[in-house]
Amino acid sequence: GNSVTQMEGPVTLSEEAFLTINCTYTATGYPSLFWYVQYPGEGLQLLLKATKADDKGSNKGFEATYRKETTSFHLEKGSVQVSDSAVYFCALLGRGGADGLTFGKGTHLIIQP
Amino acid sequence: DAGVTQSPTHLIKTRGQQVTLRCSPKSGHDTVSWYQQALGQGPQFIFQYYEEEERQRGNFPDRFSGHQFPNYSSELNVNALLLGDSALYLCASRARGGSGDSPLHFGNGTRLTVT
Repeated sequence: GNSVTQMEGPVTLSEEAFLTINCTYTATGYPSLFWYVQYPGEGLQLLLKATKADDKGSNKGFEATYRKETTSFHLEKGSVQVSDSAVYFCALLGRGGADGLTFGKGTHLIIQP
Repeated sequence: DAGVTQSPTHLIKTRGQQVTLRCSPKSGHDTVSWYQQALGQGPQFIFQYYEEEERQRGNFPDRFSGHQFPNYSSELNVNALLLGDSALYLCASRARGGSGDSPLHFGNGTRLTVT
């Protein structure tokens, strides 16, 4: 079946540091890949997505590239801010979407001023 | 424009009881999905409703059932509650005409505690 593995948290960084949150996946065929973010007190919201190999999703300074050869979709940001503190979830949607979104366990990111 | 709204926000039930959770999708959305998020875990797909029918289902027992109404709102019912059903239940909706990988909009969830 489908599965997503992402790095355990919490991840604590200083403001303006470079961020990488690793995500790898297992799926049959070629899934669509997503990063969702949950800010404190809010619901999950889509941060970015990529639907085919070598696509790069980007939003709010975050980027992730769909790497078929390494089955990865790592999230990166060049300079994080305190407001980026949140829980980040990597997720995939299998072709046909029959099983809904499959999420990783989430990575809690804490940015210190 | 209200987003996805869920009620109640918190609920405490006793093992063996039944519970109904409610969801109103975002305006302009017609597809509703339900997810279960246990503490420290990512959300797990329960099922999806479209045009008042269950279209897709994850690996959950028949104790979990749902309904979608003509106004697109939805209910999640869980029978014979177990301690392991304690979790945050998330409702998500998708825009009318959206493709399968269109963004889902999530509510803040209902926190269910089974004692």
